[in-house]
Amino acid sequence: EVQLLQSGAEVRKPGATVKISCKISGNTFTDYYIHWVQQAPGKGLEWLGLVDPEDGDTIYAEKFQDRVTMTADTSTNTAYMELSSLRSEDTAVYYCATAVRLGYCGSDTCHGWFDPWGQGTVVTVSS
Amino acid sequence: DIQMTQSPSSLSSSVGDRVTITCRTSQSIGSYLNWYQQKPGKAPKLLIYAASNLQRGVPSRFSGSGFGTDFTLTISSLQPEDFATYYCQQSYSPPLFSFGPGTKVDIK
Repeated sequence: EVQLLQSGAEVRKPGATVKISCKISGNTFTDYYIHWVQQAPGKGLEWLGLVDPEDGDTIYAEKFQDRVTMTADTSTNTAYMELSSLRSEDTAVYYCATAVRLGYCGSDTCHGWFDPWGQGTVVTVSS
Repeated sequence: DIQMTQSPSSLSSSVGDRVTITCRTSQSIGSYLNWYQQKPGKAPKLLIYAASNLQRGVPSRFSGSGFGTDFTLTISSLQPEDFATYYCQQSYSPPLFSFGPGTKVDIK
């Protein structure tokens, strides 16, 4: 059974950077894409991007392109999402999730579904 | 960019009711549509993938249908544990993996 375990809650000041981890167990790390999703308080789900652990390639949502960095460490089966220049609207729960590879995946199209998900990491941005 | 809508945004139903939630996209996405259930304080859970495929372990009272721009999630007989928010997600075209706004199902 695949399990995703995320790092704990973080508090940052505006303008700072946060880095969240997502440790994956129970599968072959490089067989899946790892996605990150943001959920602001009381709001819906927003996709931030994905990292391919096999080669480190990334695809980011346009909205976050300038501030997000996603990486994957195959030695520890851990993915990371770093968000910089934090502002109050970045206060949210951040989820990682895995998705099986389904053929071509590029910035213009990338099929698949997210299962399973991590438990979520709360990030609070406040002065 | 693809726009996604869900209807209704919320509904109140009773245990045993049949519930239908609709997801529409602004352009055709084939069958690249997934459904998730989210309970308060919990991560989303995959219910249906590729429009009509039931994820392993999900009760058979959940079903999905549709193709192109119109999709439906149906709960044939609502159970107490089904009260949650449901999201559709497209995986076809930018913005990649965008989600619908959600439908909250609560107890009448």
